[in-house]
Amino acid sequence: DTEVTQTPKHLVMGMTNKKSLKCEQHMGHRAMYWYKQKAKKPPELMFVYSYEKLSINESVPSRFSPECPNSSLLNLHLHALQPEDSALYLCASSQGQGTSSYEQYFGPGTRLTVT
Amino acid sequence: KQEVTQIPAALSVPEGENLVLNCSFTDSAIYNLQWFRQDPGKGLTSLLLIQSSQREQTSGRLNASLDKSSGRSTLYIAASQPGDSATYLCAVRSAGNMLTFGGGTRLMVKP
Repeated sequence: DTEVTQTPKHLVMGMTNKKSLKCEQHMGHRAMYWYKQKAKKPPELMFVYSYEKLSINESVPSRFSPECPNSSLLNLHLHALQPEDSALYLCASSQGQGTSSYEQYFGPGTRLTVT
Repeated sequence: KQEVTQIPAALSVPEGENLVLNCSFTDSAIYNLQWFRQDPGKGLTSLLLIQSSQREQTSGRLNASLDKSSGRSTLYIAASQPGDSATYLCAVRSAGNMLTFGGGTRLMVKP
């Protein structure tokens, strides 16, 4: 099973709402990633978790709060977002992070619209 | 800092043509390079992965080459079909398993 799943597929939220995106993998991968992709742009890395610990935060605003409850699950909590945060949010996982090279597997993404 | 560039940004061809997509990167210290396909509003589908020690990889009608020393990769698509229409992204993998993406090539194959 080489699948990364993401829920929900689509999300519309107001600027005062609190919502969460969910990502799950059952490949035994120990590194998980959040990317943000604006229309017609390449994905941009937001966060990296390695062995359930946050290892990279690419200067992401605090209104985005990641959480890794266990090795299979990655959440992204959203609060007080702005309309410019509307984008496709992609989750990925890999065997590890370190200095070795591991292929990243991507989920289908969550299309977020902030109104 | 690694920078990845893809040329052309957009390409429209008639069905049946063979075509080449280009990817260049500034730092040759990479572990591997990966080509992805992305349909509108969808996630990334991995097409080919070339390790830094390899020169090329093939899968069906797709062939990807890598010239690490010159910082270039090409994706060759043979006998293009309308179903090949999508955005093609290349990404290089550097230390820490960090992926750096190019801007993508939007391909339209007309029947």
